[in-house]
Amino acid sequence: SQQGEEDPQALSIQEGENATMNCSYKTSINNLQWYRQNSGRGLVHLILIRSNEREKHSGRLRVTLDTSKKSSSLLITASRAADTASYFCATDPSGNTPLVFGKGTRLSVIA
Amino acid sequence: DVKVTQSSRYLVKRTGEKVFLECVQDMDHENMFWYRQDPGLGLRLIYFSYDVKMKEKGDIPEGYSVSREKKERFSLILESASTNQTSMYLCASSLSLPSTEAFFGQGTRLTVV
Repeated sequence: SQQGEEDPQALSIQEGENATMNCSYKTSINNLQWYRQNSGRGLVHLILIRSNEREKHSGRLRVTLDTSKKSSSLLITASRAADTASYFCATDPSGNTPLVFGKGTRLSVIA
Repeated sequence: DVKVTQSSRYLVKRTGEKVFLECVQDMDHENMFWYRQDPGLGLRLIYFSYDVKMKEKGDIPEGYSVSREKKERFSLILESASTNQTSMYLCASSLSLPSTEAFFGQGTRLTVV
C-alpha cells in the first residue's frame, strides 16, 4: 500500500537554485524519512523527522513536517549537479510496520 | 558503516527457473526487507523479517518466498520466474521497528526472458 505521494513527479532546475519537493501521506505516523537514489542504485537515507518535530536541518537539507496536514517538504538549497537523483519520502505508520515509500520525485539539476 | 550487500547487480534468468537473490548485512540488525521497484510504481514491499526464521508478507508476496536462517542473511526466492517479475530488487535492513533508518543494498536488476 502506497502511503506517501511525492509532488512534483519531476523537477528540473539550474545549478544554484533551491529545489523543493513535497510529500503527502494518509495515516498517522511515528516518523517520516527522506531518501535519495542515484540512477540504478540503492537508496540512501538523508534525514528523519519525528512526528513531534516540525523542522529539521542537515547541511543543505531542510525538512518540515505538518502532521495536521499530513504533509512534509524537503528543501535542497544551492543545488548542485551532483544532487541529480530521485528523492523518496518514507513513512512509518504507527505500530510495528516497515517503511512505506512514495513513488519519488526525479530531480535534475542542470549545470 | 553499515553495509548491506546483494549478491548480484545484474541477473538474467529464463522463465520457469527458480531464482535466489541473496542479501547480507553486517550490523546485527533485527529487521530485513525485500522491495521491488518498477517505473511509476515506486518501491513495493514483498516480504520482511523481524527475527531469524520469522517472516511476514508485504504488499506483493505472490510468486515469492523468503528464507532467514541466520540473522545477517535474508534470501528472496522466485519459485518459478516469470517475465512480470523483471524488476529492480532492493534489500534493506534496519535496527528496530517502528522503523529507524533503513540501509539499502545496491540493488539487483533482474531480467526474466
